[in-house]
Amino acid sequence: DGGITQSPKYLFRKEGQNVTLSCEQNLNHDAMYWYRQDPGQGLRLIYYSQIVNDFQKGDIAEGYSVSREKKESFPLTVTSAQKNPTAFYLCASSIGWQGNLYTEAFFGQGTRLTVV
Amino acid sequence: KNQVEQSPQSLIILEGKNCTLQCNYTVSPFSNLRWYKQDTGRGPVSLTIMTFSENTKSNGRYTATLDADTKQSSLHITASQLSDSASYICVVSARTDKLIFGTGTRLQVFP
Repeated sequence: DGGITQSPKYLFRKEGQNVTLSCEQNLNHDAMYWYRQDPGQGLRLIYYSQIVNDFQKGDIAEGYSVSREKKESFPLTVTSAQKNPTAFYLCASSIGWQGNLYTEAFFGQGTRLTVV
Repeated sequence: KNQVEQSPQSLIILEGKNCTLQCNYTVSPFSNLRWYKQDTGRGPVSLTIMTFSENTKSNGRYTATLDADTKQSSLHITASQLSDSASYICVVSARTDKLIFGTGTRLQVFP
């Protein structure tokens, strides 16, 4: 059953704690992405990786970190430096760079992070 | 500034009716435009992808149109069903650049 899997679906974090969101894909895609979705706003790019062992900052990378040690996995850590971390986080993957013509991005089901 | 604007923000229709969602963009240079459907609490799912040379593309009851001259796109839903209740997101790609997402139109279909 091919696809992209995010876990957990819901996550609660105390202020000052780091937390890691998991993203795994078995689509053999080279590129992976993390987005943040807030009410009334479009998806915003946090980090992206076009190949293993390489990743780049997106538009809102401050307070976040990622790693890409394996092609299948692209975990996102929300650090205590992220001032407003409560949001819906979406992971996506694509066979090539998602801006290219006809390169479709496949999204996971999302993780809703709440800071308590 | 590259922007994607969608209207209306929300829409309520009765089951079986048709509706049209609008998307205006200022992204340049334009590469392609996509429509995604996002159910509440789920990830977006692609409906259509169109380039500047394509005017119309259909996916079942969903038909997307693109006017690259006026930088407008529309998504028409025919004979709506309860399962069409979702947010519909317009996404535009500048050539070799990242995707730019609209804020979405929230559609509710009532019986």
